[in-house]
Amino acid sequence: DAGVTQSPTHLIKTRGQQVTLRCSPKSGHDTVSWYQQALGQGPQFIFQYYEEEERQRGNFPDRFSGHQFPNYSSELNVNALLLGDSALYLCASSLDRNGYTFGSGTRLTVV
Amino acid sequence: ILNVEQSPQSLHVQEGDSTNFTCSFPSSNFYALHWYRWETAKSPEALFVMTLNGDEKKKGRISATLNTKEGYSYLYIKGSQPEDSATYLCAFETSYDKVIFGPGTSLSVIP
Repeated sequence: DAGVTQSPTHLIKTRGQQVTLRCSPKSGHDTVSWYQQALGQGPQFIFQYYEEEERQRGNFPDRFSGHQFPNYSSELNVNALLLGDSALYLCASSLDRNGYTFGSGTRLTVV
Repeated sequence: ILNVEQSPQSLHVQEGDSTNFTCSFPSSNFYALHWYRWETAKSPEALFVMTLNGDEKKKGRISATLNTKEGYSYLYIKGSQPEDSATYLCAFETSYDKVIFGPGTSLSVIP
């Protein structure tokens, strides 16, 4: 049973560029949440997708957007990248609030 | 603004020592409290999900307690081993399906 898969694992982008990160949830899970973890901090909630719609959103600007597909996989898009967007981006999937399964994350570096 | 705090920020113990950490969270809108273990270069691994005041959970040498009225949870590790070295994250899940993570406690167990 595959867990949560994220791609790519590492990414380097230039300021001002756009990036798309991908997440495939654990089999049977229908809800996907995205988190940003900056160095030395706990994960910060970005948003959550359920039934292809954004259900909850944290305190992140509109440059952060997402999408969920009919197969429950999800994308996180960040536009106009800033140096401060450099972080580990984690995806977590869940079903009926029975705990969360995390992927290994995508390490984004903005230069 | 909902805030989840963890203490201490980091901890160094000798192999065989027992240790404990604290997670503090808001006492309102409570749904569940999660504990995760996060080893370097791996995904956060779910340890416990607790929903009821007075809950106690145990998994091997690790146990956790929950006090929802005063807003805290303790995680205990009995007889620490080097493989317990990790960051321990707690996460407060609200009744409106939002999850807020604490900053984590970094544990190093010295052989």
